Formats: sequence, C-alpha cells, structure tokens
Amino acid sequence: NAGVTQTPKFQVLKTGQSMTLQCAQDMNHEYMSWYRQDPGMGLRLIHYSVGAGITDQGEVPNGYNVSRSTTEDFPLRLLSAAPSQTSVYFCATKPGPGANVLTFGAGSRLTVL
Amino acid sequence: GESVGLHLPTLSVQEGDNSIINCAYSNSASDYFIWYKQESGKGPQFIIDIRSNMDKRQGQRVTVLLNKTVKHLSLQIAATQPGDSAVYFCAENDYKLSFGAGTTVTVRA
Repeated sequence: NAGVTQTPKFQVLKTGQSMTLQCAQDMNHEYMSWYRQDPGMGLRLIHYSVGAGITDQGEVPNGYNVSRSTTEDFPLRLLSAAPSQTSVYFCATKPGPGANVLTFGAGSRLTVL
Repeated sequence: GESVGLHLPTLSVQEGDNSIINCAYSNSASDYFIWYKQESGKGPQFIIDIRSNMDKRQGQRVTVLLNKTVKHLSLQIAATQPGDSAVYFCAENDYKLSFGAGTTVTVRA
C-alpha cells in the first residue's frame, strides 16, 4: 500500500513550457486535491475532485487544469508555465468529501525559469 | 471562504520544555478540527483531531484544546524533542478550504 504517490519530485521548466504533475493513490479514496505551498502563504487549494469525472476549483485555480478519469489518478496540468508557478505542490486525498483527515503525498518541487 | 489561521509564524522552544501553538478560526459552524505536522521536505501528516463537542483531547505527548466561545484552538506538546521541529498547521473539516501559513517550531538543544 503506497498511499499517495507524486511524480516527479523535482522539475525545472522554462517559461511557456507545459507539464503534468502526477498524483496516484491506492487507497480507493473518492476525494483528491492539489495544493501549492509558498513561503508564508500556507497550503493553498488549487483544484479538488470528489469523485471520478467531477472536479472543481479551489482558491488559486488560474493557470492549472485537472481531470479525474479514474478514482486512482488526479493529474495537475500546467499548460504554459510562468515563474509565479514556482512552488512546492502537494496532492492530498481522503475517503470522501465528508471524511476528516487528509493523506498527503511527499510533494513535487517545481521551478519555472 | 472562511479558513483557519495561526497566531504566530515561528516558535523557538528549549528542548524538554512544553510548546503551545495557537490557532484562531472564523467559522463557528465548524464541527471538526485537525492538526498536521510537516517536517522539512515532506508532506503534512496527521497529528491529532478534535470534534466541536469536546474541549480537550490528548494523544501521545500532545494535547489539543478547543475554546468555542472565542473560536480558538491550541496544540500543546509536552517535553518538546528535536524531532518536534516542524511546521504545524491547524485545519477545519471543509474540503473547499486552504490551510493557514502554519507555525514553524524550532527546538533548541
């Protein structure tokens, strides 16, 4: 049981490039989410999903796309990376939106030059 | 939406002393609160939780206190150890909310 797996752990992009951060979970959790963490800003919610085929925006969704075609996977796409998207990204899951405790991945550090 | 926040961004504690980390929340309808610990280079991990019908809950070396009158949470760590150095977040059970900035606890030897 691997829990929440994020790939890659580190990535450097040039402005305007696109990439996808992967998040996979093997706990059969319905709820999955993406946060970004910046110094002094805490963990800000980007997008979340309450089940396969359902996604919604969080506090800071601009510049990011998500999809949820399976229960296990919740990729985060940056279509045209900007330096302001330099951050550490965390995927977090829980059994359902009404459940209480989130399980976090180890994070993906992204630098946009 | 409403969110929780922490009072102080940093806390320096002597090893062996007790630590108290404070948190204020704004949504009086929140019914469940969680404390997470984030060690350097890792994702946050669950420490302890408390329901709104409780005032206090104890775990191993940690205690969470809830004061609903003033909408305030605190996390107390007994006999703080070097391994307690981390960022601590409080959160309420709302899947649409972000977290606050957290409190960075540094343990002095």
